Amino acid sequence: DVKVTQSSRYLVKRTGEKVFLECVQDMDHENMFWYRQDPGLGLRLIYFSYDVKMKEKGDIPEGYSVSREKKERFSLILESASTNQTSMYLCASRVRQGNTIYFGEGSWLTVV
Amino acid sequence: AQSVTQLGSHVSVSEGALVLLRCNYSSSVPPYLFWYVQYPNQGLQLLLKYTTGATLVKGINGFEAEFKKSETSFHLTKPSAHMSDAAEYFCAVSRSGGYNKLIFGAGTRLAVHP
Repeated sequence: DVKVTQSSRYLVKRTGEKVFLECVQDMDHENMFWYRQDPGLGLRLIYFSYDVKMKEKGDIPEGYSVSREKKERFSLILESASTNQTSMYLCASRVRQGNTIYFGEGSWLTVV
Repeated sequence: AQSVTQLGSHVSVSEGALVLLRCNYSSSVPPYLFWYVQYPNQGLQLLLKYTTGATLVKGINGFEAEFKKSETSFHLTKPSAHMSDAAEYFCAVSRSGGYNKLIFGAGTRLAVHP
């Protein structure tokens, strides 16, 4: 079974803090994704990475950056957290040009 | 550009009743279509997908969906609802081939009452 692990399930951070959300997958997938989920808006793509050290902006990249130094790990970084970044963040992975995306269990981030 | 519209943010059915969750998409190229389910405090799990071939697709937990190109629809159905089906359901579309990003609908929350 594919496993996508998000190490932090629940975080509370202060406005202006730098926040790291970590994601690890164990299936040697080339593609990895970060989505943000908000009520009534579904899932919106923040960034995706199609291979190590490769990244591409999604639909809502403002205020976020990413890092993919190793194939299995994809980090989402909030350089200076703001209250409007309070949300559920979902990491996902997929084999190169495959059609099924596998999701982690999500990280609930609250910025106060 | 691709997009997905899920009709009805909340659907409520009785246990044993038919479940019908509606999804319409727009895509300028042949789409891949997906339904995902999200149980409380969990990530998304793939229910079923359509890529090519048979337009009626069967998934897990007794769900199925039919790709209707003429109607640009991919509605999700289950003949008889169980209490355990209560969850949020997301329809998604991607392009076939290339770096195909997945575009999600806003989701439909299904409630099942006794």
